[in-house]
Amino acid sequence: AQSVTQLGSHVSVSEGALVLLRCNYSSSVPPYLFWYVQYPNQGLQLLLKYTSAATLVKGINGFEAEFKKSETSFHLTKPSAHMSDAAEYFCAVSGDFGNEKLTFGTGTRLTIIP
Amino acid sequence: DGGITQSPKYLFRKEGQNVTLSCEQNLNHDAMYWYRQDPGQGLRLIYYSQIVNDFQKGDIAEGYSVSREKKESFPLTVTSAQKNPTAFYLCASSITGTSYEQYFGPGTRLTVT
Repeated sequence: AQSVTQLGSHVSVSEGALVLLRCNYSSSVPPYLFWYVQYPNQGLQLLLKYTSAATLVKGINGFEAEFKKSETSFHLTKPSAHMSDAAEYFCAVSGDFGNEKLTFGTGTRLTIIP
Repeated sequence: DGGITQSPKYLFRKEGQNVTLSCEQNLNHDAMYWYRQDPGQGLRLIYYSQIVNDFQKGDIAEGYSVSREKKESFPLTVTSAQKNPTAFYLCASSITGTSYEQYFGPGTRLTVT
């Protein structure tokens, strides 16, 4: 069965500093991996996705993530944090081929310090 | 504009009452999902449907029911058997057989007292 671990339920960074949100996954098949962002009382919005093409994936709002098979990781980064990045971030992994379900991590709340 | 709508945004009910949450999509997606979100627990799958007139239980289906009579609609009923129904409920949809990317609605916050 697939699983996702997000290290750190809360992360704080200063405005302009590097953002690093960690995600490790477990999957019995080559996975598709996703990062979603959620602002308070809203739905989830897709930031970026890995679908077995390039291992470095660029997304919206300046975020990117690198798929590292040897480390079973898909960490999310952004070189310079902005106040508008304050939100909750979820990593997700796909199921087996033909299984449309996604398994989500428990989320990381990102706080930006002015 | 294509997307997913959930109504209402906020819903209040008395304990012991059934309540139905609406989810409609105009993306022409085959698959639809219901998730429950509680603080610190991420998203937990309640039910999902990959085709009209068919649906499967997710990880926490007890106390919930769904129907999928139309491709566009996937309503969720929270029954009185659900022991702790107060939560944020999210509906999503996806195209089947692709990269499994899911699109989410804005959510419904249900409060039961």
